[in-house]
Amino acid sequence: ETGVTQSPTHLIKTRGQQVTLRCSSQSGHNTVSWYQQALGQGPQFIFQYYREEENGRGNFPPRFSGLQFPNYSSELNVNALELDDSALYLCASSLLGQGQHNYGYTFGSGTRLTVV
Amino acid sequence: AQKVTQAQTEISVVEKEDVTLDCVYETRDTTYYLFWYKQPPSGELVFLIRRNSFDEQNEISGRYSWNFQKSTSSFNFTITASQVVDSAVYFCALKLNRDDKIIFGKGTRLHILP
Repeated sequence: ETGVTQSPTHLIKTRGQQVTLRCSSQSGHNTVSWYQQALGQGPQFIFQYYREEENGRGNFPPRFSGLQFPNYSSELNVNALELDDSALYLCASSLLGQGQHNYGYTFGSGTRLTVV
Repeated sequence: AQKVTQAQTEISVVEKEDVTLDCVYETRDTTYYLFWYKQPPSGELVFLIRRNSFDEQNEISGRYSWNFQKSTSSFNFTITASQVVDSAVYFCALKLNRDDKIIFGKGTRLHILP
C-alpha cells in the first residue's frame, strides 16, 4: 500500500501571495488532517476533512482553507501569506470508521514553506 | 485544557547507553489516546506507539519500551542500547476520543553519539 505523499517538498513565496499544498492520502484512508509545524515546535492541528467537508478545525484564521476530493486527496490553501506562515506543513491520513474513531494516522514528509 | 509537556528539549548520549524521554500530559477527559512519533531529518512523523487511556500495561517492542502511568499523567519512552540511527526528534502526543486533533508536545531532540 502507498503511503501519504505531499507536493511540493519545498516552496518559497512572497508575503501577500497565495499558496496551494497537495496531499495524496494512504490507500484505504478516508480522512485527511493538516498540521503546521514551526521550527523547533510540535505540529499544530489546522483542520481535518472527511467526506469532502471540514470535520474539525484548530486555531487558524479563515485564510487557511482546504479541500478534499472524491479520491480522498486534499489541498491546503493559504491566502495573504505572512512571514509567520513559514513552516513545515504536514498532511496525515486516517480511517474514520462507523464508531467515528480514528484508527491511526499516517503522516507525509511535509511541504516546507518559506515566506519572504 | 489539554496539554503535552516534554521537558527535555535536547538529549545527547553515547551509543549503547539507555535513554528515557519524558512526557507528561494534561486532560480532564477519561477517554483518550497517547502517541509517540519519531521525526527524522526527512520530516515525516513515524508512528511508534498508540495507547488508550484504559490500557496502562507497559509495552516493549525490541529496544523500545513505554511506561504509562495515569496516576502521574506520564507516558515515558525508553530506548535501550541506543544506536546512532535513533537520532531524531521524538514527539509525545495526546488525542481525545471526542476530538479530531492530535495535540503534540514540543519534542525532544535526541543525539546518539558514536
